[in-house]
Amino acid sequence: ILNVEQSPQSLHVQEGDSTNFTCSFPSSNFYALHWYRWETAKSPEALFVTTLNGDEKKKGRISATLNTKEGYSYLYIKGSQPEDSATYLCALPQGAQKLVFGQGTRLTINP
Amino acid sequence: SQTIHQWPATLVQPVGSPLSLECTVEGTSNPNLYWYRQAAGRGLQLLFYSVGIGQISSEVPQNLSASRPQDRQFILSSKKLLLSDSGFYLCALERQRQETQYFGPGTRLLVL
Repeated sequence: ILNVEQSPQSLHVQEGDSTNFTCSFPSSNFYALHWYRWETAKSPEALFVTTLNGDEKKKGRISATLNTKEGYSYLYIKGSQPEDSATYLCALPQGAQKLVFGQGTRLTINP
Repeated sequence: SQTIHQWPATLVQPVGSPLSLECTVEGTSNPNLYWYRQAAGRGLQLLFYSVGIGQISSEVPQNLSASRPQDRQFILSSKKLLLSDSGFYLCALERQRQETQYFGPGTRLLVL
């Protein structure tokens, strides 16, 4: 069973500060890594899919990096805003049809 | 683009009662379909997935079952609900060979 771990479990950040959190995974047989944002009372929304070691994806103030050799990905948020409050999930494919999700990092931005 | 419908949005059911949650999709053909559950304080757990009509793979042995009677319809059922079945149920689709999954609005189930 593929083990996907996220840390920290929860995070409180002051509005305007930058923050980052981690997704760790087995480095062998890597194919792709997905990041999702899940706001309260909504459904998870896809942010990025990264496949190449060293690749960086960016969407506005949010970016993700990938290190497939050591088995981790960082998600960065620059200048946090209240609307960034959400649970951030990472997921990796297992087999041809499934995604295995981490437990998520719950981010709260304090105004 | 695809659209995922789930109903009902919220459901309160007594222990031992049956359950039927429906998910229908639009805007795509022959998708992979998924049922996930988030229990209180826990992560997203894959329950079932389907790669085609009548094809169901179960991830976690439990008192739930799933069916896919049509290409764009995925149903989650139970004959007798348990307290531990409470949670937020999400239907998701993945277009063939796309890997990114798109989620429906979810059904919040409370078993009392």
